[in-house]
Amino acid sequence: GAGVSQSPSNKVTEKGKDVELRCDPISGHTALYWYRQSLGQGLEFLIYFQGNSAPDKSGLPSDRFSAERTGGSVSTLTIQRTQQEDSAVYLCASSRDRGGQETQYFGPGTRLLVL
Amino acid sequence: QKEVEQNSGPLSVPEGAIASLNCTYSDRGSQSFFWYRQYSGKSPELIMFIYSNGDKEDGRFTAQLNKASQYVSLLIRDSQPSDSATYLCAVTPWGAQKLVFGQGTRLTINP
Repeated sequence: GAGVSQSPSNKVTEKGKDVELRCDPISGHTALYWYRQSLGQGLEFLIYFQGNSAPDKSGLPSDRFSAERTGGSVSTLTIQRTQQEDSAVYLCASSRDRGGQETQYFGPGTRLLVL
Repeated sequence: QKEVEQNSGPLSVPEGAIASLNCTYSDRGSQSFFWYRQYSGKSPELIMFIYSNGDKEDGRFTAQLNKASQYVSLLIRDSQPSDSATYLCAVTPWGAQKLVFGQGTRLTINP
């Protein structure tokens, strides 16, 4: 079956612009996660959705970052007024259900470059 | 102290030998442990998961968990050049759904 998909695969933007990153989880997966991976910081958790609710937003680095999920499926991560330090690969993952033992499957990522 | 620590490597192993990758974690209540493999420019893919103390084997891979020592390892037997990648250790903290990742160990298998 289809895996997690993300779009765009690459995004180049200018400092100060807003960007939207999209994630389509595996069909039927109720849990969705956003992570980002940068050279200096490794792979960091941003936010977790169960259905359309986000019970854990603890990883969002600032109020410039927000995310939503609609219909228990597609999620959008929005970064407002982008900064150069936002440059990273943004990875989305989904799992069948919540629970620490559920395997998270990752999408191919969106590579964001802020000039 | 980082929540999940790995030796960043690079770790170089001859083809056919056993590669041993190690990971320690700080949250004693951590409940689930995962090993992901990440090729350069690609996203992480799951290799193995382990929840209970002891060993778990899957083909050429064996995961080992020691909760008392807060230590998890991955052994790769009969290493192949295609095993060359970065291996990420990930842990689910108690009561959380997220994964906390180590920095990854870069493994190179030399033909």
